[in-house]
Amino acid sequence: GIQVEQSPPDLILQEGANSTLRCNFSDSVNNLQWFHQNPWGQLINLFYIPSGTKQNGRLSATTVATERYSLLYISSSQTTDSGVYFCVLTGGFKTIFGAGTRLFVKA
Amino acid sequence: NAGVTQTPKFQVLKTGQSMTLQCAQDMNHNSMYWYRQDPGMGLRLIYYSASEGTTDKGEVPNGYNVSRLNKREFSLRLESAAPSQTSVYFCASTATMGTQYFGAGTRLSVL
Repeated sequence: GIQVEQSPPDLILQEGANSTLRCNFSDSVNNLQWFHQNPWGQLINLFYIPSGTKQNGRLSATTVATERYSLLYISSSQTTDSGVYFCVLTGGFKTIFGAGTRLFVKA
Repeated sequence: NAGVTQTPKFQVLKTGQSMTLQCAQDMNHNSMYWYRQDPGMGLRLIYYSASEGTTDKGEVPNGYNVSRLNKREFSLRLESAAPSQTSVYFCASTATMGTQYFGAGTRLSVL
């Protein structure tokens, strides 16, 4: 089956710092999404990005499908960015979550 | 527009009891999903329904049954709850193979 690896597993940032989260995957997929799970457990869509680059405010994402990786950029981090970031791949209707990157942003 | 609504939000069961988790979406999505999330882990797919009238097993279907009652509703049933089923359960929906939208989750404890 599809393997999804996220790095780093844990990340601590000072407020205002930038970061890059990485997702490597083992096989071609129909789509790739990035989600943020906040400290209250809510899952929030960030990007639907099977290929190319998208930006939304301080966040942007790039997927290079031919090289099987995706990157999530967080700029000028804020304490509200804390939580777990998941890379999620779908092949057909099967959905595979990465283990996540746990981010803590210090004030 | 409520999105994806799950009930209940919390539940405590005794081993062997049964219960049904309810999920409804008002976005006219074709596909719906049930996941479980164990502490410190990502979500794992239990069952999915590609369209009304169809259901299929995901990664961890044992101990669960599902019903796609209509296009809006997709329920998950535990016939005989076990402590290993203590988890947070999420329902999700998507129009086709696109962005998934998640409910707020159901926190289930089986004693």
